[in-house]
Amino acid sequence: SQQGEEDPQALSIQEGENATMNCSYKTSINNLQWYRQNSGRGLVHLILIRSNEREKHSGRLRVTLDTSKKSSSLLITASRAADTASYFCATAGGGGADGLTFGKGTHLIIQP
Amino acid sequence: EPEVTQTPSHQVTQMGQEVILRCVPISNHLYFYWYRQILGQKVEFLVSFYNNEISEKSEIFDDQFSVERPDGSNFTLKIRSTKLEDSAMYFCASRLANTGELFFGEGSRLTVL
Repeated sequence: SQQGEEDPQALSIQEGENATMNCSYKTSINNLQWYRQNSGRGLVHLILIRSNEREKHSGRLRVTLDTSKKSSSLLITASRAADTASYFCATAGGGGADGLTFGKGTHLIIQP
Repeated sequence: EPEVTQTPSHQVTQMGQEVILRCVPISNHLYFYWYRQILGQKVEFLVSFYNNEISEKSEIFDDQFSVERPDGSNFTLKIRSTKLEDSAMYFCASRLANTGELFFGEGSRLTVL
């Protein structure tokens, strides 16, 4: 089954606007994480939210988790050109599985 | 700031050849991983490694793949006989024992001709 499906697949907004990306998953999880990837580079961890948490903040990032709907959202406020990247959600399994399952990602473009 | 380093950054090989990708995880991390990303596709889990043994592997990680931690710092991924479909970016990652956050290297791009 597909796990960690993000939408939209691509998002283009003006600098200063807020960007919202969504992620849905199918199985139970321990935690859900968001990563950023600049083109051709490695993934950078942004934020982790545990299955018993509903919302978490880190700087301009806000993540929500709704385990009843098996969904999460990542909000980037006051976007900057440097936020242009692909954003992936990744789930850590509730059955003790160690590997993260990544979604296909949202490609975010911030227009200056 | 400590980082995960990977070598080579790019390797081109002929189909059927053996390839070894190398990683130096962050020194006090205990869990090590390999992931791959075929161009334009999602990042896929290959294998996790803890306490000198594989703790979990995916369906992708078949008998052609192996991992090794030959000394206290390196963590390698070997592909015994490469196939065209092994062409991808391979990422190494590591983490501490008590956090879920993974630290990724910049990746090794493997091109199989």
